[in-house]
Amino acid sequence: DGGITQSPKYLFRKEGQNVTLSCEQNLNHDAMYWYRQDPGQGLRLIYYSQIVNDFQKGDIAEGYSVSREKKESFPLTVTSAQKNPTAFYLCATHRGTDEKLFFGSGTQLSVL
Amino acid sequence: ILNVEQSPQSLHVQEGDSTNFTCSFPSSNFYALHWYRWETAKSPEALFVMTLNGDEKKKGRISATLNTKEGYSYLYIKGSQPEDSATYLCAPSYSSASKIIFGSGTRLSIRP
Repeated sequence: DGGITQSPKYLFRKEGQNVTLSCEQNLNHDAMYWYRQDPGQGLRLIYYSQIVNDFQKGDIAEGYSVSREKKESFPLTVTSAQKNPTAFYLCATHRGTDEKLFFGSGTQLSVL
Repeated sequence: ILNVEQSPQSLHVQEGDSTNFTCSFPSSNFYALHWYRWETAKSPEALFVMTLNGDEKKKGRISATLNTKEGYSYLYIKGSQPEDSATYLCAPSYSSASKIIFGSGTRLSIRP
């Protein structure tokens, strides 16, 4: 099936630990995004990538890092510098900004 | 940081009533406006992507209008049903390769 796969569905982080969230797509879309949702709030942009080997910071990039070595993959690392990582993380892709975003099913990250 | 405002923040509507809510965004260099519906425990689903001033789009009982000169869009739901209960998100973009920033959403609850 074509689509976006996010894994894991649930993730727990210990203090001081880096964790990586996976996002894989087989839609052949150039652009990929990472958003964060906190309870009762909307989606905030962490990082986005319009093309392989290039990515840009969103509004809340501090404490996060990404890579875009392949078109299909856009992993997000939550580093120990992110002091409040508990949130729901969504990955999304699209062909162009005048076309709709497709979303993965999300990863819920919690701190132990 | 791009200022995208959605109002009201939440809305309770009686089943069968019609309702509408607003998305306001900076109009300068506008490119496209997205609307999404986000139901609990699901991924956001695209409703409309609109680009032209004065554009109107319709999907079943839901429709949207766009004013790019003044920077706002309205979403209308006619004859609300319980399945319309969701958070409705809007997101403008400002070029074919710009980031997509979401408003904080309007949470709609339908009372049976």
